[in-house]
Amino acid sequence: GQQVMQIPQYQHVQEGEDFTTYCNSSTTLSNIQWYKQRPGGHPVFLIQLVKSGEVKKQKRLTFQFGEAKKNSSLHITATQTTDVGTYFCAGLNQAGTALIFGKGTTLSVSS
Amino acid sequence: NAGVTQTPKFQVLKTGQSMTLQCAQDMNHEYMSWYRQDPGMGLRLIHYSVGAGITDQGEVPNGYNVSRSTTEDFPLRLLSAAPSQTSVYFCASSLRPGSYVYNEQFFGPGTRLTVL
Repeated sequence: GQQVMQIPQYQHVQEGEDFTTYCNSSTTLSNIQWYKQRPGGHPVFLIQLVKSGEVKKQKRLTFQFGEAKKNSSLHITATQTTDVGTYFCAGLNQAGTALIFGKGTTLSVSS
Repeated sequence: NAGVTQTPKFQVLKTGQSMTLQCAQDMNHEYMSWYRQDPGMGLRLIHYSVGAGITDQGEVPNGYNVSRSTTEDFPLRLLSAAPSQTSVYFCASSLRPGSYVYNEQFFGPGTRLTVL
């Protein structure tokens, strides 16, 4: 079945370092979404990418959607302790009826 | 708006017991879904509904039932609880996926379930 894979599973950085998580799908995606889950919390929507090659920025966060619409990345510049959490990517299944989530990348930041 | 609400927040069951996890949303969303989250496994879809009276299975439906009699409510029933169902359960709602205006899924705060 359709799979969405994320790497790395865990990442620890020093505050101020950059961080990137990658998302790969076994099939072409109509769109991709990114969510952040703080420890003990629930997933919160960050952004949706729809177009091939699309790049969107939110302050220190940069999101990219691959040209083939099968991969995506989230890059955080100069991490802060508030960036701690698990970042999930998610893509619609081929029927367009459900979101398939990756397993997430858990980011820890030490000051 | 309260958004997506879930009750209870915590629950402990014994093997074989049944229970219903409640989920409600006040955003008039057509689409609602249930996920379970286990360490290292991400969010796995249990069941979803594209509107009142319509439900379908996700990746891990076994041991769970759902119904959607109203737009607002989407309860998840555990028929005979097993230790493997110990997990955190999230309910989510959104506009219909794949629609032109589809955007984000709104998640509830979750229910932490332990089955002994």
